[in-house]
Amino acid sequence: EVQLVESGGGLVQPGGSLRLSCAASGFIASTNYMTWVRQAPGKGLEWVSFIYTGGDTYYADSVKGRFTISRDDSKNTVYLQMNSLRTEDTAVYYCARDPPSTTDYGLDVWGQGTTVTVSS
Amino acid sequence: QSVLTQPPSASGTPGQRVTISCSGGASNIGSNTVNWYQQLPGTAPKLLIYSNNQRPSGVPDRFSGSKSGTSASLAISGLQSEDEADYYCAAWDVSLNGYVFGTGTKVTVL
Repeated sequence: EVQLVESGGGLVQPGGSLRLSCAASGFIASTNYMTWVRQAPGKGLEWVSFIYTGGDTYYADSVKGRFTISRDDSKNTVYLQMNSLRTEDTAVYYCARDPPSTTDYGLDVWGQGTTVTVSS
Repeated sequence: QSVLTQPPSASGTPGQRVTISCSGGASNIGSNTVNWYQQLPGTAPKLLIYSNNQRPSGVPDRFSGSKSGTSASLAISGLQSEDEADYYCAAWDVSLNGYVFGTGTKVTVL
């Protein structure tokens, strides 16, 4: 079964750090574009970051310089290192898959999400 | 703020047709294909439409998508109670060099 499972969320103080993990099963993460999307309480979806098959990375302006996306191919896992956290980073963080192709297949597999709360 | 604009809400009675618009610009919808996501209450988003008008396996054919210029739309025909959800459009933005979501539309079945 194709699946994504996020972990690593929790409560952290402003200025703190947290690392989220996204474990893929049923497919090889490194052969797909992988992305993080977040949703603040009661708000809409916000794209956070992409990592492409070749390792190229992209970030939303709101997290650029603070968040780092990476991948461990041996563990088939994608990470999101979040530093200098702000209260506005409080959200449910979802991991999703984007199959690379000349056809845009969209974000076709999503995890269940992990909650990050930034508060003193 | 999102660069893709959707109406905050839409509603209809069972069996009716509901349409949701998504307005963007030349750097996003005007340059790339549009995807639509459905988010049922308390759950993760789910891909509903990809490449403007394609349905993934398992998505009922009463969901359809279209795109014209810098706008796109999602239509739900034969509205059912289980369609009550939030719906988001999305596209890659070549100016922002990032993926952008619409503001989201809450669909209510009366």
